Amino acid sequence: GQNIDQPTEMTATEGAIVQINCTYQTSGFNGLFWYQQHAGEAPTFLSYNVLDGLEEKGRFSSFLSRSKGYSYLLLKELQMKDSASYLCAVMDSNYQLIWGAGTKLIIKP
Amino acid sequence: GAVVSQHPSWVICKSGTSVKIECRSLDFQATTMFWYRQFPKQSLMLMATSNEGSKATYEQGVEKDKFLINHASLTLSTLTVTSAHPEDSSFYICSARGDSGDADTQYFGPGTRLTVL
Repeated sequence: GQNIDQPTEMTATEGAIVQINCTYQTSGFNGLFWYQQHAGEAPTFLSYNVLDGLEEKGRFSSFLSRSKGYSYLLLKELQMKDSASYLCAVMDSNYQLIWGAGTKLIIKP
Repeated sequence: GAVVSQHPSWVICKSGTSVKIECRSLDFQATTMFWYRQFPKQSLMLMATSNEGSKATYEQGVEKDKFLINHASLTLSTLTVTSAHPEDSSFYICSARGDSGDADTQYFGPGTRLTVL
């Protein structure tokens, strides 16, 4: 079967760095997405990785290793507004999105 | 875990025809379902929110007569794209929120890719 695993909840301190991991097993691979979702709002696109390596975009970076079926989202200089759920999703060979359950990130002052 | 399915996975239709997309919660009752559309590498755009047994609430700019939503039961919501045009081609994703557990958690479907010729 296909599945995406990510931690249910993480807690970090304002100003610190946090890494949210995502492992996947899918039939085929056409890219991995990270989204941020605040309560009651639509998910917003953060990153898309299809090749191995690190993609940096401001305070957020996303890493992919296709051979390991592994990705992480790295958030630096955490701010209180970063408190949200972070969703990992993989597009399989049929261009269907397989979603992780999301990681709820709690930022403490 | 909670599973949401969509049918069909992909559909190609001629301009002017109507297309119905189904969203089902397989192992939980979804009191609220959401319909999104997504363009490549862009954020999901919320189209409408539907609660079982009541009319859907549409986001600003979304034509309710063009995108008909029916949430007839606690496990099924349908989106019908009426008189589809090429600009309606997109990836349509539904999500469902149950009535137990974390009330903020949405479970997303795999999406339906619509291509209008």
